[in-house]
Amino acid sequence: ILNVEQSPQSLHVQEGDSTNFTCSFPSSNFYALHWYRWETAKSPEALFVMTLNGDEKKKGRISATLNTKEGYSYLYIKGSQPEDSATYLCAHDQTGANNLFFGTGTRLTVIP
Amino acid sequence: NAGVTQTPKFRILKIGQSMTLQCTQDMNHNYMYWYRQDPGMGLKLIYYSVGAGITDKGEVPNGYNVSRSTTEDFPLRLELAAPSQTSVYFCASSPGGRNQPQHFGDGTRLSIL
Repeated sequence: ILNVEQSPQSLHVQEGDSTNFTCSFPSSNFYALHWYRWETAKSPEALFVMTLNGDEKKKGRISATLNTKEGYSYLYIKGSQPEDSATYLCAHDQTGANNLFFGTGTRLTVIP
Repeated sequence: NAGVTQTPKFRILKIGQSMTLQCTQDMNHNYMYWYRQDPGMGLKLIYYSVGAGITDKGEVPNGYNVSRSTTEDFPLRLELAAPSQTSVYFCASSPGGRNQPQHFGDGTRLSIL
């Protein structure tokens, strides 16, 4: 994987369902993996910065895991609510690159 | 607490015109960044700065210039606007260190006709 890839591109879930999506990134020269939440008409808001293989981070109903050896991170949302509707971005910080490489995001719509 | 403030929010330019996108932050962050986002693409870094007086190119710097005379301000200049620079521009800042989250402004939507 040369770029940061996120899947799926978009998904719709019912209120109360749990969901997860994937961020894939180059596994070589890993430094950090960022997750951001981006609501329509607002600016991206930081959720997590993860640096260690096996890291798990949690913020309320949202959690994330990191596998640097195989180059992926999962974002989980438990019991989705309409206010979780947003685009979730991941960004890869590769050692020596000195900038974040962003994926195109997963657009989540939670249906009441 | 204002955070990162960008002005203007929207602008239409003619080809060949110049303009400056303003970005200011009140969090005393050392690191500041300019990104652009094109439809269907991820955010791409144009320029960044690790402190006052220090700037460096990102992934897509051509056609842009920046300066960082103070910690608070990081303006982005387009000298000769081209249609390819039609995009949404985001400014961001972080306290410092590459494992710190970035704080984004609300963006400037720029159209060049």
